[in-house]
Amino acid sequence: AQTVTQSQPEMSVQEAETVTLSCTYDTSESDYYLFWYKQPPSRQMILVIRQEAYKQQNATENRFSVNFQKAAKSFSLKISDSQLGDAAMYFCAYRTYTGTASKLTFGTGTRLQVTL
Amino acid sequence: NAGVTQTPKFRVLKTGQSMTLLCAQDMNHEYMYWYRQDPGMGLRLIHYSVGEGTTAKGEVPDGYNVSRLKKQNFLLGLESAAPSQTSVYFCASRDGNRDYQPQHFGDGTRLSIL
Repeated sequence: AQTVTQSQPEMSVQEAETVTLSCTYDTSESDYYLFWYKQPPSRQMILVIRQEAYKQQNATENRFSVNFQKAAKSFSLKISDSQLGDAAMYFCAYRTYTGTASKLTFGTGTRLQVTL
Repeated sequence: NAGVTQTPKFRVLKTGQSMTLLCAQDMNHEYMYWYRQDPGMGLRLIHYSVGEGTTAKGEVPDGYNVSRLKKQNFLLGLESAAPSQTSVYFCASRDGNRDYQPQHFGDGTRLSIL
């Protein structure tokens, strides 16, 4: 079974600075998807960014980018120019590439605080 | 754009009571999921469905039942609620024909069992 580990329960960053959230995973599969979800106090689960394992290029979405290291099974999220609205819980998730249902396995989350 | 709608948003039950949580999606998605979220833990899969009339167990299915009588609806039932089922419940759906598509989540239901 796949496992996802987020070793940083809490992180803090100053507004306009850059922060990196860590995620590692364990799998024997070669093809899969990785996601970062944001959960603000409103409780919504918002997709931040996704990465297909077969793609070597790191995904980027505006101020959000990932550092995907397949051999090391590492998938970190970098937030540049942090904004107050970035304060939230961030969850890393793994999904099988194929097969029925393609269930998500989540990490335990990292709470990000953004300070002035 | 309604997306995934969960009903109700909040509920308080007494131990032993039963209730049903409703999830509705208007995106014609084949796959639907029920998760629970507890403090200090990520979302854990309770049950899921890959199509109308089909359901399957996830990681933590005990104490819950589900039904998918219509493609757009996925119901989660608690037959005899227990305090351990106090949690926030999320429903999600996904387009089964497009493997790269992510899951879309509802806004969650906060359920407290006294």
